[in-house]
Amino acid sequence: DAKTTQPTSMDCAEGRAANLPCNHSTISGNEYVYWYRQIHSQGPQYIIHGLKNNETNEMASLIITEDRKSSTLILPHATLRDTAVYYCIVRGDPFTGTASKLTFGTGTRLQVTL
Amino acid sequence: DGGITQSPKYLFRKEGQNVTLSCEQNLNHDAMYWYRQDPGQGLRLIYYSQIVNDFQKGDIAEGYSVSREKKESFPLTVTSAQKNPTAFYLCASSIVVRAGELFFGEGSRLTVL
Repeated sequence: DAKTTQPTSMDCAEGRAANLPCNHSTISGNEYVYWYRQIHSQGPQYIIHGLKNNETNEMASLIITEDRKSSTLILPHATLRDTAVYYCIVRGDPFTGTASKLTFGTGTRLQVTL
Repeated sequence: DGGITQSPKYLFRKEGQNVTLSCEQNLNHDAMYWYRQDPGQGLRLIYYSQIVNDFQKGDIAEGYSVSREKKESFPLTVTSAQKNPTAFYLCASSIVVRAGELFFGEGSRLTVL
């Protein structure tokens, strides 16, 4: 599985956009990028995923660079309830049978402040 | 409401005892997973199952055992062979063909005294 690198922590003012970067320079052509978040002492929550194109849903937007070596999760108007650890994950290659394994690193701790 | 239920939420055990954590889902998902999380760390995969009566070891399976007799249930037993069992345990499920989207339970916190 491709390894991901994320900053350890970030701060964001409430109401502003939170931009969370992720590097995945060894990603292969058919691996997807997934984002999850984990609020303290709860189970992680799926946010969004993408392969090549930018994606948007009701929670966030995902911007993937053209070379796919990095991506950015955007929370357009962060609130205090968005304070959590955000995980960027590359899913195992489905053609080698490892697609069931998602590897969660230590993520980025986002602190949203007033 | 569909979801994943883990029990118990908190569990204490003495050293040398086996303990079983329950995980039930009513999402009709084929795949189920167990992860372990230590303080300040990411999640590590213990076991996963893609179908009833079949399961595979994850990255840290030693000292753990699982069964998958029913589609809805995937209990995890933490055996006395697990050297460092105190941790937060998370169960998840997914539709196999979209295996990147996992639904997690609320977790079980195990403390060994």
